[in-house]
Amino acid sequence: GAGVSQSPSNKVTEKGKDVELRCDPISGHTALYWYRQSLGQGLEFLIYFQGNSAPDKSGLPSDRFSAERTGGSVSTLTIQRTQQEDSAVYLCASSPRAGTSIYEQYFGPGTRLTVT
Amino acid sequence: QKEVEQNSGPLSVPEGAIASLNCTYSDRVSQSFFWYRQYSGKSPELIMSIYSNGDKEDGRFTAQLNKASQYVSLLIRDSQPSDSATYLCAALNYGGSQGNLIFGKGTKLSVKP
Repeated sequence: GAGVSQSPSNKVTEKGKDVELRCDPISGHTALYWYRQSLGQGLEFLIYFQGNSAPDKSGLPSDRFSAERTGGSVSTLTIQRTQQEDSAVYLCASSPRAGTSIYEQYFGPGTRLTVT
Repeated sequence: QKEVEQNSGPLSVPEGAIASLNCTYSDRVSQSFFWYRQYSGKSPELIMSIYSNGDKEDGRFTAQLNKASQYVSLLIRDSQPSDSATYLCAALNYGGSQGNLIFGKGTKLSVKP
């Protein structure tokens, strides 16, 4: 079946502009996660959505970052007033949170964000 | 100690050999572990999960979990040049919503023909 999809695949923006990144999880997966990976750095957790529960925002680095998930499916990560340190690959993952694969997370191809 | 630690490598093995990748973890993570493979410029791809002490085999891959010693490893038998990638060890976060994974920095594996 279809995997996690993300758009755009690449985004170049000027410092100070806002950007929106989109994630479409695997159909039927109730959990959705955003991570980012900076050059030479590990994967850093940003935010987690599970069903209709309040999202876990504990990984968001500043209040410039926000995310929403509409209808329990598609999610949008918004970065306001982008800074150069926001340049990274933003990865979305989804997980069934049920069955034998309960905690397994499957990643999308990522969005490479470059802030100039 | 960081929550999940890996030797960054590079680990170089000849084609056909067994590659052994190791990961240690702290008490601050739950004991559910995952191995991902990441090719350069690509996103992580799940290889295996392991939740119980002992070995778990899937094709050429074997994951091993030793809770007493707090380490988890991945063995790749009959290594192929196509296995050359960065291997990421991840643990399910113990606190909070127990939703996110905590990743090590990854070990770069190079399989030489």
